[in-house]
Amino acid sequence: NAGVTQTPKFQVLKTGQSMTLQCAQDMNHEYMSWYRQDPGMGLRLIHYSVGAGITDQGEVPNGYNVSRSTTEDFPLRLLSAAPSQTSVYFCASSRGGPDNYNEQFFGPGTRLTVL
Amino acid sequence: RKEVEQDPGPFNVPEGATVAFNCTYSNSASQSFFWYRQDCRKEPKLLMSVYSSGNEDGRFTAQLNRASQYISLLIRDSKLSDSATYLCVVITRRMDTGRRALTFGSGTRLQVQP
Repeated sequence: NAGVTQTPKFQVLKTGQSMTLQCAQDMNHEYMSWYRQDPGMGLRLIHYSVGAGITDQGEVPNGYNVSRSTTEDFPLRLLSAAPSQTSVYFCASSRGGPDNYNEQFFGPGTRLTVL
Repeated sequence: RKEVEQDPGPFNVPEGATVAFNCTYSNSASQSFFWYRQDCRKEPKLLMSVYSSGNEDGRFTAQLNRASQYISLLIRDSKLSDSATYLCVVITRRMDTGRRALTFGSGTRLQVQP
């Protein structure tokens, strides 16, 4: 099992550019989520999904879109990048979700810099 | 006030020392608690769950104090390989949505020195 994979590992964008961060898991987990991690702030939930076709907003959703067309994939789209979106982004998956959280398995992260 | 607070450290301790971290949470309705470990520039990984009666996993002991609303992690006989950031995670049922939310603390950094 590859677990949770994310691409790219690093990305530099200019303000206003758009891009998609890719996330995939091969554990057949229903629940997937995106977090951003900033110094002193901990991980903050951006968006999550409890299954294919179902997504919902987390704590800091503005400026980001997600979709979940398959169980395996959960891409995160930055619509118009801003310097405030400079962060490390982690994708996570787990068997449980909002009603029954289990161990969260994280991908290796994407380090994004917006100039 | 943050929902989940941790002393950022760093805690610098010699090998073999015993070290303890606390994590306080503000919502008395919080239900489940975990400790995750995050190595430098890596992803977080589950270290252990925290049970009401306290639990141990080798050199690691986790405890919950509901009255004072904190969880603790005790590491005995520290190893160099224990150097990492330790994140506490709290699960709380939201009053507005009825759904459970998972909140991460910002982490406590531990540096074990030879």
